[in-house]
Amino acid sequence: AQTVTQSQPEMSVQEAETVTLSCTYDTSESDYYLFWYKQPPSRQMILVIRQEAYKQQNATENRFSVNFQKAAKSFSLKISDSQLGDAAMYFCASFNQGGKLIFGQGTELSVKP
Amino acid sequence: DTEVTQTPKHLVMGMTNKKSLKCEQHMGHRAMYWYKQKAKKPPELMFVYSYEKLSINESVPSRFSPECPNSSLLNLHLHALQPEDSALYLCASSQDQGTSGPRAGELFFGEGSRLTVL
Repeated sequence: AQTVTQSQPEMSVQEAETVTLSCTYDTSESDYYLFWYKQPPSRQMILVIRQEAYKQQNATENRFSVNFQKAAKSFSLKISDSQLGDAAMYFCASFNQGGKLIFGQGTELSVKP
Repeated sequence: DTEVTQTPKHLVMGMTNKKSLKCEQHMGHRAMYWYKQKAKKPPELMFVYSYEKLSINESVPSRFSPECPNSSLLNLHLHALQPEDSALYLCASSQDQGTSGPRAGELFFGEGSRLTVL
């Protein structure tokens, strides 16, 4: 079975600072994909960043980067220079050969001005 | 056009009503999804359509009936719902349901339909 765990229900960061959101996952498959999705209060879920499991290099997307530790099955998201617009619920998700996108429980990020 | 459009945005219905949620995308995607989301919880997969055929049904009660009339449209027909079915219903689409490639697992979501069952 495929599981995704986010152990931080809530996080807070000061504007312009850096914050790291944690995620661990469990899968028996060798080929899979990991994602961070963002859901702002307006509700529309958008993709923040993706990582292919076969790639050793950590994905980056502007101020967003991941720390992918395959052996530890860890996939954390780092947000640098946090902005007020980064406030949202962040979901870690995995996608594997079953063709299902499975989400973690989410981390609600607040950004303080 | 990278939008997934869902209508209505809000729906209130009684337990004996029949209603439908609609979803539309014009990105040429061949996979479409329905998710159910409760407040402060992750989306839960309900159904997946691939090339207009139902490929995944996550043991959803029969009072929810999906339909994919064509590759751009996805409906969710609702009948005899319970108050616990009140939730945000999210539609999503992806290039296809493929499990490899540069777009694998990349879903585009609509804003959702907020359903309240009285």
